[in-house]
Amino acid sequence: QSALTQPPSASGSPGQSVTISCTGTSSDVGGYNYVSWYQQHPGKAPKLMIYEVNKRPSGVPDRFSGSKSANTASLTVSGLQAEDEADYYCSSYAGSDNLVFGGGTKLTVL
Amino acid sequence: QVHLVQSGAEVKKPGSSVKVSCKASGRTFSSYFISWVRQAPGQGLEWMGGLIPMFGSPTYAQKSQGRVTISADGSTSTIYMELSSLRSGDTALYYCAAADSSRAPFDYWGQGTLVTVSS
Repeated sequence: QSALTQPPSASGSPGQSVTISCTGTSSDVGGYNYVSWYQQHPGKAPKLMIYEVNKRPSGVPDRFSGSKSANTASLTVSGLQAEDEADYYCSSYAGSDNLVFGGGTKLTVL
Repeated sequence: QVHLVQSGAEVKKPGSSVKVSCKASGRTFSSYFISWVRQAPGQGLEWMGGLIPMFGSPTYAQKSQGRVTISADGSTSTIYMELSSLRSGDTALYYCAAADSSRAPFDYWGQGTLVTVSS
Protein backbone atom coordinates (compact mmCIF):
# COMPACT_ATOMS: atom_id res chain seq x y z
CA GLN A 1 0.00 0.00 0.00
CA SER A 2 2.00 2.97 -1.24
CA ALA A 3 0.64 6.49 -1.00
CA LEU A 4 -0.94 7.87 -4.14
CA THR A 5 1.28 10.35 -5.98
CA GLN A 6 0.26 14.00 -6.09
CA PRO A 7 2.32 17.04 -7.10
CA PRO A 8 3.44 18.85 -3.95
CA SER A 9 2.22 22.20 -5.22
CA ALA A 10 -0.04 23.87 -7.77
CA SER A 11 -0.97 27.46 -8.37
CA GLY A 12 -3.12 29.75 -10.44
CA SER A 13 -4.44 33.27 -10.57
CA PRO A 14 -7.98 34.19 -9.58
CA GLY A 15 -10.43 33.15 -12.28
CA GLN A 16 -8.06 30.61 -13.82
CA SER A 17 -8.39 26.81 -13.74
CA VAL A 18 -6.01 24.42 -12.04
CA THR A 19 -5.86 20.64 -12.27
CA ILE A 20 -4.29 18.43 -9.63
CA SER A 21 -3.37 14.86 -10.50
CA CYS A 22 -3.40 11.76 -8.32
CA THR A 23 -1.61 8.69 -9.63
CA GLY A 24 -2.00 5.24 -8.21
CA THR A 25 -2.07 1.71 -9.55
CA SER A 26 -4.53 -0.79 -10.94
CA SER A 27 -4.99 -1.98 -7.34
CA ASP A 28 -6.46 1.30 -6.18
CA VAL A 29 -7.26 4.28 -8.44
CA GLY A 30 -7.36 2.23 -11.62
CA GLY A 31 -9.30 -0.64 -10.12
CA TYR A 32 -12.22 1.19 -8.53
CA ASN A 33 -14.36 4.26 -9.10
CA TYR A 34 -14.05 5.17 -5.45
CA VAL A 35 -11.73 8.16 -5.59
CA SER A 36 -12.40 11.07 -3.27
CA TRP A 37 -10.88 14.51 -2.92
CA TYR A 38 -10.60 16.46 0.32
CA GLN A 39 -9.81 20.12 0.95
CA GLN A 40 -7.97 21.05 4.13
CA HIS A 41 -7.42 24.56 5.40
CA PRO A 42 -4.74 25.14 8.07
CA GLY A 43 -5.84 23.92 11.47
CA LYS A 44 -9.04 22.41 10.14
CA ALA A 45 -10.25 18.88 9.53
CA PRO A 46 -10.43 17.76 5.90
CA LYS A 47 -13.61 18.55 3.97
CA LEU A 48 -15.02 16.27 1.28
CA MET A 49 -15.11 17.95 -2.13
CA ILE A 50 -15.50 15.08 -4.63
CA TYR A 51 -16.45 11.42 -4.21
CA GLU A 52 -16.78 8.45 -6.57
CA VAL A 53 -14.41 10.18 -9.01
CA ASN A 54 -16.72 12.97 -10.12
CA LYS A 55 -19.64 13.45 -7.72
CA ARG A 56 -20.01 16.61 -5.65
CA PRO A 57 -21.56 16.59 -2.18
CA SER A 58 -24.31 19.06 -1.54
CA GLY A 59 -22.90 22.52 -0.93
CA VAL A 60 -19.68 22.10 -2.88
CA PRO A 61 -19.46 24.64 -5.71
CA ASP A 62 -19.63 23.28 -9.25
CA ARG A 63 -16.28 24.94 -9.85
CA PHE A 64 -14.85 21.71 -8.43
CA SER A 65 -14.88 18.70 -10.72
CA GLY A 66 -13.22 15.31 -10.84
CA SER A 67 -12.25 12.80 -13.48
CA LYS A 68 -10.21 9.64 -13.93
CA SER A 69 -8.25 7.98 -16.68
CA ALA A 70 -6.62 4.62 -16.07
CA ASN A 71 -4.57 4.89 -12.87
CA THR A 72 -4.71 8.68 -12.61
CA ALA A 73 -7.49 10.76 -11.10
CA SER A 74 -7.69 14.52 -11.40
CA LEU A 75 -9.32 17.38 -9.55
CA THR A 76 -10.01 20.56 -11.51
CA VAL A 77 -10.82 23.83 -9.81
CA SER A 78 -12.25 26.34 -12.26
CA GLY A 79 -12.71 30.05 -11.66
CA LEU A 80 -10.15 30.03 -8.85
CA GLN A 81 -11.05 32.06 -5.80
CA ALA A 82 -8.92 33.15 -2.87
CA GLU A 83 -10.74 30.78 -0.53
CA ASP A 84 -9.71 27.80 -2.67
CA GLU A 85 -6.16 28.18 -1.36
CA ALA A 86 -5.69 25.05 0.74
CA ASP A 87 -4.18 21.58 0.77
CA TYR A 88 -5.92 18.97 -1.35
CA TYR A 89 -5.75 15.23 -0.81
CA CYS A 90 -7.00 12.41 -2.97
CA SER A 91 -7.94 9.03 -1.56
CA SER A 92 -8.89 5.75 -3.14
CA TYR A 93 -10.41 2.47 -2.11
CA ALA A 94 -7.74 -0.20 -2.43
CA GLY A 95 -9.69 -3.41 -1.95
CA SER A 96 -10.39 -5.56 1.13
CA ASP A 97 -11.63 -2.56 3.15
CA ASN A 98 -8.33 -0.75 2.67
CA LEU A 99 -7.90 2.89 1.77
CA VAL A 100 -4.96 4.98 0.65
CA PHE A 101 -4.39 8.73 0.56
CA GLY A 102 -2.24 10.84 -1.70
CA GLY A 103 0.63 12.89 -0.32
CA GLY A 104 -1.29 16.13 -0.74
CA THR A 105 -1.03 19.19 -2.97
CA LYS A 106 -0.74 22.74 -1.71
CA LEU A 107 -2.84 24.97 -3.95
CA THR A 108 -1.79 28.61 -4.02
CA VAL A 109 -3.99 31.32 -5.48
CA LEU A 110 -1.58 33.93 -6.80
CA GLN B 1 -25.80 13.03 10.75
CA VAL B 2 -22.99 11.72 12.96
CA HIS B 3 -21.05 13.83 15.43
CA LEU B 4 -17.63 12.54 16.46
CA VAL B 5 -15.93 13.77 19.63
CA GLN B 6 -12.39 12.64 20.38
CA SER B 7 -10.45 12.46 23.62
CA GLY B 8 -7.93 15.11 24.59
CA ALA B 9 -4.29 15.63 23.77
CA GLU B 10 -1.69 13.18 25.06
CA VAL B 11 2.02 13.39 25.78
CA LYS B 12 3.77 10.03 25.88
CA LYS B 13 7.28 8.66 26.34
CA PRO B 14 8.97 6.65 23.58
CA GLY B 15 8.19 2.97 23.94
CA SER B 16 4.88 3.51 25.70
CA SER B 17 1.34 3.15 24.36
CA VAL B 18 -1.54 5.55 23.80
CA LYS B 19 -5.26 4.90 23.50
CA VAL B 20 -7.40 7.54 21.79
CA SER B 21 -11.19 7.47 21.86
CA CYS B 22 -13.84 8.71 19.45
CA LYS B 23 -17.41 8.94 20.73
CA ALA B 24 -20.19 9.02 18.15
CA SER B 25 -23.60 10.56 18.56
CA GLY B 26 -26.48 11.00 16.17
CA ARG B 27 -27.40 8.28 13.72
CA THR B 28 -26.64 4.69 14.64
CA PHE B 29 -22.88 4.52 14.50
CA SER B 30 -22.61 0.74 14.48
CA SER B 31 -23.13 0.50 10.72
CA TYR B 32 -20.59 3.15 9.76
CA PHE B 33 -17.06 2.39 8.65
CA ILE B 34 -15.07 4.30 11.27
CA SER B 35 -11.44 4.93 10.42
CA TRP B 36 -8.41 6.47 12.05
CA VAL B 37 -6.40 8.89 9.96
CA ARG B 38 -3.26 10.59 11.21
CA GLN B 39 -1.39 13.68 10.11
CA ALA B 40 2.16 14.36 11.28
CA PRO B 41 3.14 18.03 11.62
CA GLY B 42 3.33 19.60 8.17
CA GLN B 43 2.68 16.25 6.52
CA GLY B 44 -0.15 14.56 4.66
CA LEU B 45 -3.00 12.30 5.67
CA GLU B 46 -2.32 8.64 6.42
CA TRP B 47 -5.08 6.05 6.73
CA MET B 48 -4.27 3.73 9.62
CA GLY B 49 -7.20 1.37 9.68
CA GLY B 50 -10.91 1.10 10.36
CA LEU B 51 -13.83 -1.04 11.33
CA ILE B 52 -17.59 -1.34 11.18
CA PRO B 53 -18.62 -1.64 14.84
CA MET B 54 -21.50 -4.03 14.16
CA PHE B 55 -19.10 -6.49 12.51
CA GLY B 56 -16.19 -5.83 14.82
CA SER B 57 -13.33 -6.98 12.57
CA PRO B 58 -10.90 -4.16 11.89
CA THR B 59 -8.72 -3.77 8.84
CA TYR B 60 -5.33 -2.13 9.08
CA ALA B 61 -2.97 -0.41 6.70
CA GLN B 62 0.14 -2.52 6.13
CA LYS B 63 2.25 0.08 7.89
CA SER B 64 -0.01 -0.02 10.96
CA GLN B 65 -0.20 -3.76 11.38
CA GLY B 66 1.37 -5.00 14.55
CA ARG B 67 1.32 -1.70 16.46
CA VAL B 68 -2.23 -0.44 16.01
CA THR B 69 -5.37 -1.90 17.57
CA ILE B 70 -8.79 -0.51 16.66
CA SER B 71 -11.78 -1.56 18.73
CA ALA B 72 -15.33 -0.50 19.49
CA ASP B 73 -17.62 -0.38 22.52
CA GLY B 74 -21.18 -0.49 21.28
CA SER B 75 -22.64 0.28 24.69
CA THR B 76 -21.02 3.73 24.63
CA SER B 77 -20.83 4.26 20.83
CA THR B 78 -17.10 4.73 21.17
CA ILE B 79 -14.27 3.66 18.89
CA TYR B 80 -10.74 3.31 20.22
CA MET B 81 -7.33 3.39 18.58
CA GLU B 82 -4.39 2.08 20.57
CA LEU B 83 -0.87 2.61 19.26
CA SER B 84 2.00 0.79 20.97
CA SER B 85 5.79 1.05 20.99
CA LEU B 86 5.53 4.78 20.39
CA ARG B 87 8.39 6.61 18.72
CA SER B 88 8.95 10.25 17.85
CA GLY B 89 7.65 9.68 14.33
CA ASP B 90 4.23 8.89 15.79
CA THR B 91 3.81 12.51 16.90
CA ALA B 92 0.76 13.56 14.93
CA LEU B 93 -2.82 14.72 14.95
CA TYR B 94 -5.05 11.65 14.99
CA TYR B 95 -8.52 11.94 13.46
CA CYS B 96 -11.41 9.53 13.54
CA ALA B 97 -13.65 9.72 10.48
CA ALA B 98 -16.91 8.05 9.50
CA ALA B 99 -18.13 6.77 6.14
CA ASP B 100 -21.19 4.80 5.02
CA SER B 101 -18.90 1.96 3.96
CA SER B 102 -15.25 1.26 3.27
CA ARG B 103 -15.82 2.38 -0.31
CA ALA B 104 -17.62 5.58 0.67
CA PRO B 105 -16.00 8.92 1.39
CA PHE B 106 -15.52 10.29 4.89
CA ASP B 107 -18.51 12.52 5.50
CA TYR B 108 -17.80 13.13 9.17
CA TRP B 109 -14.58 13.89 11.02
CA GLY B 110 -13.67 14.22 14.66
CA GLN B 111 -11.85 17.30 15.90
CA GLY B 112 -8.51 15.51 16.06
CA THR B 113 -6.35 14.41 19.00
CA LEU B 114 -2.74 15.54 19.20
CA VAL B 115 -0.39 12.83 20.39
CA THR B 116 3.11 14.00 21.20
CA VAL B 117 5.86 11.46 21.75
CA SER B 118 8.79 12.95 23.59
CA SER B 119 11.33 11.85 26.14
